[in-house]
Amino acid sequence: QVQLQESGPGLVKPSGTLSLTCAVSGGSISSSNWWSWIRQPPGKGLEWIGEIYHSGSTNYNPSLKSRVTISVDKSKNQFSLKLSSVTAADTAVYYCARIAGGYSSGWVGYFDYWGQGTLVTVSS
Amino acid sequence: QSVLTQPPSVSGAPGQRVTISCTGSSSNIGAGYDVHWYQQLPGTAPKLLIYGNSNRPSGVPDRFSGSKSGTSASLAITGLQAEDEADYYCQSYDSSLSGSKVFGTGTKVTVL
Repeated sequence: QVQLQESGPGLVKPSGTLSLTCAVSGGSISSSNWWSWIRQPPGKGLEWIGEIYHSGSTNYNPSLKSRVTISVDKSKNQFSLKLSSVTAADTAVYYCARIAGGYSSGWVGYFDYWGQGTLVTVSS
Repeated sequence: QSVLTQPPSVSGAPGQRVTISCTGSSSNIGAGYDVHWYQQLPGTAPKLLIYGNSNRPSGVPDRFSGSKSGTSASLAITGLQAEDEADYYCQSYDSSLSGSKVFGTGTKVTVL
């Protein structure tokens, strides 16, 4: 059973960089899956941030692309999110998730395993 | 400003059937991209409910069913139970601009 666990600071200052890590257990990050970040502002809906394949290939939400970097660390079986120039609008619960299917599932696939989520607040 | 529109809320009595619509356009559902559905219980992460328009993962009760037609998709819950009270989201791919995975606006199901 694949398990994902997000970790990182719960408070980030405005204009700073949000950094989160997702540790994968029960499976290999080098498997034929994409790995993704999704966020949910308090009381609002879900927003896809981006995804990465173990080869390093990435796809990003065009609305966030200029501020987002997703990377993978195969030696630690984890992947990470960096979001720069944050504002209060970036306050949200951030989820990491696995996308079912192989390389062709990039962009169009669905999320079969999710982390529990971590709340990140942007405030001074 | 999601490109997939869902009704904000639907409700029904225990045992009844409710449906949730997910309305898109020619750049997402209408272009043939699959629709997937998630259930989010209060305070928890979303859970995959339906994938590939109408397929249920192992462990999901057959009370849940999905369909797609034209530029819309639907999730039906038959024999509504108290434990079904949750938020539901559709998800697909939109090919406009540079392309993106997109979620629906979300629907709160209330069991009366």
